[in-house]
Amino acid sequence: DAGVIQSPRHEVTEMGQEVTLRCKPISGHDYLFWYRQTMMRGLELLIYFNNNVPIDDSGMPEDRFSAKMPNASFSTLKIQPSEPRDSAVYFCASRDSSNQPQHFGDGTRLSIL
Amino acid sequence: SQQGEEDPQALSIQEGENATMNCSYKTSINNLQWYRQNSGRGLVHLILIRSNEREKHSGRLRVTLDTSKKSSSLLITASRAADTASYFCATAPRGSSNTGKLIFGQGTTLQVKP
Repeated sequence: DAGVIQSPRHEVTEMGQEVTLRCKPISGHDYLFWYRQTMMRGLELLIYFNNNVPIDDSGMPEDRFSAKMPNASFSTLKIQPSEPRDSAVYFCASRDSSNQPQHFGDGTRLSIL
Repeated sequence: SQQGEEDPQALSIQEGENATMNCSYKTSINNLQWYRQNSGRGLVHLILIRSNEREKHSGRLRVTLDTSKKSSSLLITASRAADTASYFCATAPRGSSNTGKLIFGQGTTLQVKP
């Protein structure tokens, strides 16, 4: 079975640019989570969706961050404008509704210069 | 603030030895999960223990949970070089059973020397 697929795996861009991270969850999973991982703050939950609807976005750091899930098989996390402090590894995870553990993608390593 | 705090932050052992990692948390939970992360990869689920369970085994893994002390431990027996990774505990706060929302600790970095 295909796991959670994230793209790109690496992104290097200059501050001020728009960044879009993409995620394809496991088919049949109806929960999708976006996390950010840094050395300083560890793994932080940014936002999660249930059946394509955002449920909790309290972890989104500021208005520069936005996330969408237009359908069950695709989600995006957008940063506009990007800043150097946004540099981190961003993970997407999904799970089904049967209270099973989360399945993680391999992340996008984002560097903002 | 982080729900889970892990101890130690880093652990280095020889192949064949046992590795023990501890996790403490702050609020009531539905379950506690352990995940593993290899360098440059995503987290992989290892084991889940529910709040009404005290001990659980899976292969070379043994997890204990003490809800009175709000703590858990992960024991890896007969460690192998391939066990080298970071290990994270994650708690599902009570009331989150329908969401699967997890709060992760800072992790323990385990190095197993051949």
